[in-house]
Amino acid sequence: KNQVEQSPQSLIILEGKNCTLQCNYTVSPFSNLRWYKQDTGRGPVSLTIMTFSENTKSNGRYTATLDADTKQSSLHITASQLSDSASYICVVLDRGSTLGRLYFGRGTQLTVWP
Amino acid sequence: NAGVTQTPKFQVLKTGQSMTLQCAQDMNHEYMSWYRQDPGMGLRLIHYSVGAGITDQGEVPNGYNVSRSTTEDFPLRLLSAAPSQTSVYFCASSYTDRVGQYFGPGTRLTVT
Repeated sequence: KNQVEQSPQSLIILEGKNCTLQCNYTVSPFSNLRWYKQDTGRGPVSLTIMTFSENTKSNGRYTATLDADTKQSSLHITASQLSDSASYICVVLDRGSTLGRLYFGRGTQLTVWP
Repeated sequence: NAGVTQTPKFQVLKTGQSMTLQCAQDMNHEYMSWYRQDPGMGLRLIHYSVGAGITDQGEVPNGYNVSRSTTEDFPLRLLSAAPSQTSVYFCASSYTDRVGQYFGPGTRLTVT
């Protein structure tokens, strides 16, 4: 069964600290993996999208890594800010079906304290 | 560009009522999707479309209908609302399925 598992479920860090969020998936065949940020009460916003051949991709203070062999991805946030408080969602695209399917993780709720 | 717009922002329905959630995008995107988001659960795909006139079911399609008569609009119809359909509904669009999606602001629906 195609699944996307994220850990931890929630995380609290102090402003200025770094953190890493994890995503494990069983989706196959794999097309690409996305990380989204969702602020409370708003729609998700795309941070990065990575294909099979990409190991690392950065977007400002956000760096995503992908290991397609072990089917793991991580999102590293550097020098966290209060505005980083949000839910971070890992999404994997399955190319097995004719028109494609996206599988969503349940998200990691990050809280940044001053 | 307005991006992806959804109306209404909030809606309260009684069990058995029907309604349509509106979604529009002005980016000429072919791919559009409807999701529901419930507490403690990930976003779940209801229906999606890869172009005008083409729709397909997602993970949780029961109780919902869609149509795609134009590239811009992708309305979601609740046929006979049930309390289990209380949720936040998001519409999303993208140029292809290989790029990140743009999400609308969501519609918070309560069915009593």
